[in-house]
Amino acid sequence: GPKVLQIPSHQIIDMGQMVTLNCDPVSNHLYFYWYKQILGQQMEFLVNFYNGKVMEKSKLFKDQFSVERPDGSYFTLKIQPTALEDSAVYFCASRTANTGQLYFGEGSKLTVL
Amino acid sequence: GDSVTQTEGLVTLTEGLPVMLNCTYQTIYSNPFLFWYVQHLNESPRLLLKSFTDNKRTEHQGFHATLHKSSSSFHLQKSSAQLSDSALYYCALSDRLGGSNAKLTFGKGTKLSVKS
Repeated sequence: GPKVLQIPSHQIIDMGQMVTLNCDPVSNHLYFYWYKQILGQQMEFLVNFYNGKVMEKSKLFKDQFSVERPDGSYFTLKIQPTALEDSAVYFCASRTANTGQLYFGEGSKLTVL
Repeated sequence: GDSVTQTEGLVTLTEGLPVMLNCTYQTIYSNPFLFWYVQHLNESPRLLLKSFTDNKRTEHQGFHATLHKSSSSFHLQKSSAQLSDSALYYCALSDRLGGSNAKLTFGKGTKLSVKS
């Protein structure tokens, strides 16, 4: 089936550094999402993105977070600077225009030391 | 805003017994879309079931659920649990099927553990 690819699968960085998580969504999808899952907890919505713009973001989407998809390349989540509480698995998801079904990537596990 | 409430925590079953995972929701929208996603260990969530028709049973891979708007529920059921059903199950709600602002509101997830 359709696949969403995420790079890297795992990243360890020091607090205060910048990190960029990359997502290659399904090719004909237009809507992109990031979710955050702290170990042992539920997945929580961060942001959704369409047509080059953030459509909606949650309280978890702090000022240090940003998303973009320059020229149809990767859909990225950047955190600058990182904090200890940013340690989590970040799932990227995408969908077509006409369905609520999300296709998730395998996740990027971020560890902030 | 929207909210989804699921059976809390861990549900442990013996193989062969029926599965029932509860899901209720709150939304101001009269035509919500409900989903069940399943996440196996070290995998990403994937869609298991979806529904937007009141009182109509939807089935997939042995699981079934019926959206009941009168009780705001979308419980997940299976007649006979298998070991491979052990996973994290999320009930999710969207106030619309598509469009630029559609987002899923997830419940906290229910961990199902099936033992032999």
